[in-house]
This record gives sequence, C-alpha cells and structure tokens, in this order.
Amino acid sequence: GENVGLHLPTLSVQEGDNSIINCAYSNSASDYFIWYKQESGKGPQFIIDIRSNMDKRQGQRVTVLLNKTVKHLSLQIAATQPGDSAVYFCAEFRPYYGNNRLAFGKGNQVVVIP
Amino acid sequence: DGGITQSPKYLFRKEGQNVTLSCEQNLNHDAMYWYRQDPGQGLRLIYYSQIVNDFQKGDIAEGYSVSREKKESFPLTVTSAQKNPTAFYLCASSGGGATNEKLFFGSGTQLSVL
Repeated sequence: GENVGLHLPTLSVQEGDNSIINCAYSNSASDYFIWYKQESGKGPQFIIDIRSNMDKRQGQRVTVLLNKTVKHLSLQIAATQPGDSAVYFCAEFRPYYGNNRLAFGKGNQVVVIP
Repeated sequence: DGGITQSPKYLFRKEGQNVTLSCEQNLNHDAMYWYRQDPGQGLRLIYYSQIVNDFQKGDIAEGYSVSREKKESFPLTVTSAQKNPTAFYLCASSGGGATNEKLFFGSGTQLSVL
C-alpha cells in the first residue's frame, strides 16, 4: 500500500494551481466512468463519476471531462491543496463483460508542492 | 458509521502457510469484490460475489479462495499455491446490478512474505 505510486507518471503542481490528470480508456462501448483518489496506505476513495451521455460534470473543486471520440477522460482539480497529494486513477465500466465489467487504469501520482 | 472494514492492516505469511484476510461491510450491499494491487499497477480482480453463497473467479483467482456465507462478510484466503502473494489487497462492495456500479473500498491489507 505504501508503494502504490511507485513507477507511476507523476504530476508535480504548486499549491494553489490547477491540476489536470488524464486517462485513456480502452473500450468505446464503456458507458460509465469513475475517478478515484488513493492516499498512501489507504483504499481508493470515490471522487466523481460521469456517464457516457455527458461531456462534463462538476463537483466540489473537481471537474471531469469526457471525450468519447478519442476515448479520453480527464480530471481537473482547482486550487490544488497539499491534501490532494495522492494517486488518482480512472475506472471504466464495460458493458457486455458480464459481472467483471470494471477496469481500472494504473494511475497518476500527484505531488503538491507547498 | 457505515463502511467496509478490512483486517488486519498488515499481515505476514510464512512459506507454505495459508492466510485469511477479513472483509466486513455494513452497507447492506449485495456485491463484494477482492482486488490485488501491485506497485505501479492497476487493480486486478481476484474474486467477486454478487450474492450470498455465490462467487465467481476474477482475472487472477489462482492461489486464492473465498467464501460468502453471510451478506456482510467476504473473507479471502491466500493459499500456499500463490507463489507471489506480496501485494496490497483491497476489498470493495457495491449495491450490485446495472445501476449500482459505484464501488466502495476498504482501507486495504498489506501482505508480505517472511
């Protein structure tokens, strides 16, 4: 758990700046997407989700953008804070895969510089 | 406080030994899952259960076993047949069904080999 971020792409961002984390998904039929945040030694926490009939969804300080044409998902964090330092990964729901529909990306490490 | 509880947080296994990881949820969720997380990797599904007394193999079930005798509990046994058991193990649950895809995760168990 402590080394979950090892060898992951890393984004270093100054405190107060905006962060953008990207995710490419694999299946054009995927119809639901989730962003999770995972702090060192802890389980993933739900941040925000979006369905494929939407292009954008906003939460508190976070925005998810979905581009189905290029199968790309992004998470924007406004005014990044030290508590935002974590690994962020996306998950896609693939219909027609039966009960094993959920696929996770490898994640991106975000490091906030005070 | 509703949630998913995993125990222990750290576990050590001797060669040839079976060990069992505990997962309990009080969210009244039908579906429960076990994932394995290795450094720099995405989550990989070991086993899942959509309902009590039923469970299915995920992508990497070899060397693992589960039971689902109660709705609240989904223990995972790492058997001696699992030759590379060192990893962070995550239990999750969801309401189940097509409209309840959001997974809630426990805090994880770090398993290491002595």
